Amino acid sequence: AQKVTQAQTEISVVEKEDVTLDCVYETRDTTYYLFWYKQPPSGELVFLIRRNSFDEQNEISGRYSWNFQKSTSSFNFTITASQVVDSAVYFCALSEEEKLTFGTGTRLTIIP
Amino acid sequence: EAGVVQSPRYKIIEKKQPVAFWCNPISGHNTLYWYLQNLGQGPELLIRYENEEAVDDSQLPKDRFSAERLKGVDSTLKIQPAELGDSAVYLCASSLGRTSGEADTQYFGPGTRLTVL
Repeated sequence: AQKVTQAQTEISVVEKEDVTLDCVYETRDTTYYLFWYKQPPSGELVFLIRRNSFDEQNEISGRYSWNFQKSTSSFNFTITASQVVDSAVYFCALSEEEKLTFGTGTRLTIIP
Repeated sequence: EAGVVQSPRYKIIEKKQPVAFWCNPISGHNTLYWYLQNLGQGPELLIRYENEEAVDDSQLPKDRFSAERLKGVDSTLKIQPAELGDSAVYLCASSLGRTSGEADTQYFGPGTRLTVL
């Protein structure tokens, strides 16, 4: 069975600091997809990124970057120069055979 | 382009009452999902539709929950009767439909927050 672990329940950082959110997954499949979603206080889950298991290249999008390492089954998310608008709950998710399994989320608070 | 629309946003009912949630997916999305999100947890799948067909309802508590997607577009999720433990956020998501063996990206609506008193 697939499993996603986000060990950091809550993180608080001062604005402009960098922060990394950890995600560790378990799967027996060789083909799978990993996702990150952001859930602001409004409640809607906002899609951030999708990565397939064959693409281990790190990705950067503005202040966001993702580090995918199959050797450690991790897919970590870094926000550079954090801003107050980044405050939200962030979910990592694993897709295997059309089923999406979410972690329990990390609540990120950016302190002005 | 409009996102996934859900209504109502909030619902408060007394236990044993029925309740229904409505979802309109992104135009052109064939796959529709209903998720349950408890406080402090990630969403958990209740049911997945491919067009009109419920292809995965293994996690739907069928004694009190039902869902339909009659014309392959809008969907309704119903609980009858509601219990105290049903208080949660009910999320709807949609996706294009699996192509070329790749996993779909699911796009979520704002959810309906249900409180059962």
